[in-house]
Amino acid sequence: DGGITQSPKYLFRKEGQNVTLSCEQNLNHDAMYWYRQDPGQGLRLIYYSQIVNDFQKGDIAEGYSVSREKKESFPLTVTSAQKNPTAFYLCASSIVSGNTEAFFGQGTRLTVV
Amino acid sequence: LAKTTQPISMDSYEGQEVNITCSHNNIATNDYITWYQQFPSQGPRFIIQGYKTKVTNEVASLFIPADRKSSTLSLPRVSLSDTAVYYCLVGDEDTGKLIFGQGTTLQVKP
Repeated sequence: DGGITQSPKYLFRKEGQNVTLSCEQNLNHDAMYWYRQDPGQGLRLIYYSQIVNDFQKGDIAEGYSVSREKKESFPLTVTSAQKNPTAFYLCASSIVSGNTEAFFGQGTRLTVV
Repeated sequence: LAKTTQPISMDSYEGQEVNITCSHNNIATNDYITWYQQFPSQGPRFIIQGYKTKVTNEVASLFIPADRKSSTLSLPRVSLSDTAVYYCLVGDEDTGKLIFGQGTTLQVKP
């Protein structure tokens, strides 16, 4: 089955630790995106990648880092510099960058303890 | 970058038709309009996409006037399971970003 997979579904982190969220797609999509969602709020764009080996900052990139070494994978690292990392993180992909027919993973809920 | 504006919330009753309108005054010539549905703690799910006039699929219809500065998602005969947040999205192939607005929270009552 083609799709986009995020792991883990739930993640707990101690303050001061970096943590990496996984996002994998087998849709052969060029573009991938990371969003953050806080309770009762919309989706805010963290980083996006239009093509392998390239990525750009979104609206709230501070405290986050990404890589795009393979077309299928776009991991997100939440660093200790992120002041309020507890949130629901969503990864998405689309066939080309800016194409609004995007496919989303099921999300990772990160909690800092 | 095209921005979208939607009502924050709407209430409806089971069996009614629901229309949610989105404004996108700065939509570019090549931009499509796409609507998503999101349930709590899940990723958004694609509902429908259109460029102009009317598009219909098995779950919804999308109405887009000639000037394309707004669009209306129509959900026929809603049920309790249609309670969700609905997002209108307009693409930006120049920057490659996909920027979501606040969405419309639809509450369907029995």
